[in-house]
Amino acid sequence: AQSVTQLDSQVPVFEEAPVELRCNYSSSVSVYLFWYVQYPNQGLQLLLKYLSGSTLVKGINGFEAEFNKSQTSFHLRKPSVHISDTAEYFCAVSGGKGTYKYIFGTGTRLKVLA
Amino acid sequence: DSGVTQTPKHLITATGQRVTLRCSPRSGDLSVYWYQQSLDQGLQFLIQYYNGEERAKGNILERFSAQQFPDLHSELNLSSLELGDSALYFCASSYGQIQETQYFGPGTRLLVL
Repeated sequence: AQSVTQLDSQVPVFEEAPVELRCNYSSSVSVYLFWYVQYPNQGLQLLLKYLSGSTLVKGINGFEAEFNKSQTSFHLRKPSVHISDTAEYFCAVSGGKGTYKYIFGTGTRLKVLA
Repeated sequence: DSGVTQTPKHLITATGQRVTLRCSPRSGDLSVYWYQQSLDQGLQFLIQYYNGEERAKGNILERFSAQQFPDLHSELNLSSLELGDSALYFCASSYGQIQETQYFGPGTRLLVL
């Protein structure tokens, strides 16, 4: 069965500092990987996704993620965060044999400090 | 604006009651997903429909049911409501299925008193 683990529930970081939000997945077959962001009082929106090809994926708002098959990870990074990046970030996995399920992680709350 | 609409925005009801949440997907999208988000359980996948057919089931209680109609809008029915059903319910849509981006609606906030 597939699963997604987001290792940090909260990440505080100062403005203009780099940040990495960690995501590990478990699956016995090839999967598709996603990062979504949820701003306060809003629905989720896609930041980026990995379907195949280049393991470095660039998304919106300066975020990028690297797919690492050997470590089954898909960590999200941004070299310099802004106050406006304060939000909850969800890693998700879909695909796999015999399932249409879309599995979300528990989320990481990013708090950018001035 | 994602193009996904959900009604109502807020709902307050009593235990034991039944409610219906409605979702209209983005124009052209065939898949509809329902999620429940609460502080203690996080974001939980409930159920997915594709072009009117149920395709995947997650942690959906037997008291909950859903359907997708020929015009592709979807309804989530919650019955015999309990205090613990209080949560934010999201609908999302996508054109296809597993590798597609999901577009989330603004959610329906349900409070069961």
